[in-house]
Amino acid sequence: GNSVTQMEGPVTLSEEAFLTINCTYTATGYPSLFWYVQYPGEGLQLLLKATKADDKGSNKGFEATYRKETTSFHLEKGSVQVSDSAVYFCARISGNTGKLIFGQGTTLQVKP
Amino acid sequence: NAGVTQTPKFQVLKTGQSMTLQCAQDMNHNSMYWYRQDPGMGLRLIYYSASEGTTDKGEVPNGYNVSRLNKREFSLRLESAAPSQTSVYFCASSVPGQGSNQPQHFGDGTRLSIL
Repeated sequence: GNSVTQMEGPVTLSEEAFLTINCTYTATGYPSLFWYVQYPGEGLQLLLKATKADDKGSNKGFEATYRKETTSFHLEKGSVQVSDSAVYFCARISGNTGKLIFGQGTTLQVKP
Repeated sequence: NAGVTQTPKFQVLKTGQSMTLQCAQDMNHNSMYWYRQDPGMGLRLIYYSASEGTTDKGEVPNGYNVSRLNKREFSLRLESAAPSQTSVYFCASSVPGQGSNQPQHFGDGTRLSIL
């Protein structure tokens, strides 16, 4: 099928810890992949994207690499801050009309 | 810097009432989308409009209708609200999608409760 699966949360880390949020996808071909972030009470914002295999998207210290061999797009950050506390969504393009398929979201809580 | 604007931000309805959620974008995007967000289920596509004058069903269209009023505006209507439609609704827009790798831009959401 066509789906996106994220690791279940919540993820609780101390400030400056290393973050990994796993994301895997199923698809025919190599769709563009995205990470979105949702801060409390707000809509989703694009965090980073990768449009082809082996691409690395990066923004605000976050990175994710498009791995076609493992059909994965894991989100990483070397040193998280309290301000990174949010819900993170992995998503992939579906078809040719720009539709997105989202994972279920992973809540990150960073404690001082 | 408005981007995607949704109104209202909050609404409480009684079962059976009707309501229209409004969405407008000022980025000259052709494609617009309506999602609902429920705990543990991510965002699910209700309806989308690939271009002005066209609308198509998404994953969970039952109980909803949409109107693409013009290029800027895409409204979502609940004709007879049910408690199962209690959710947070998000509107989004994007650049035309042929072979698209462009991200969607989201509004801040409408929090809807059906009693």
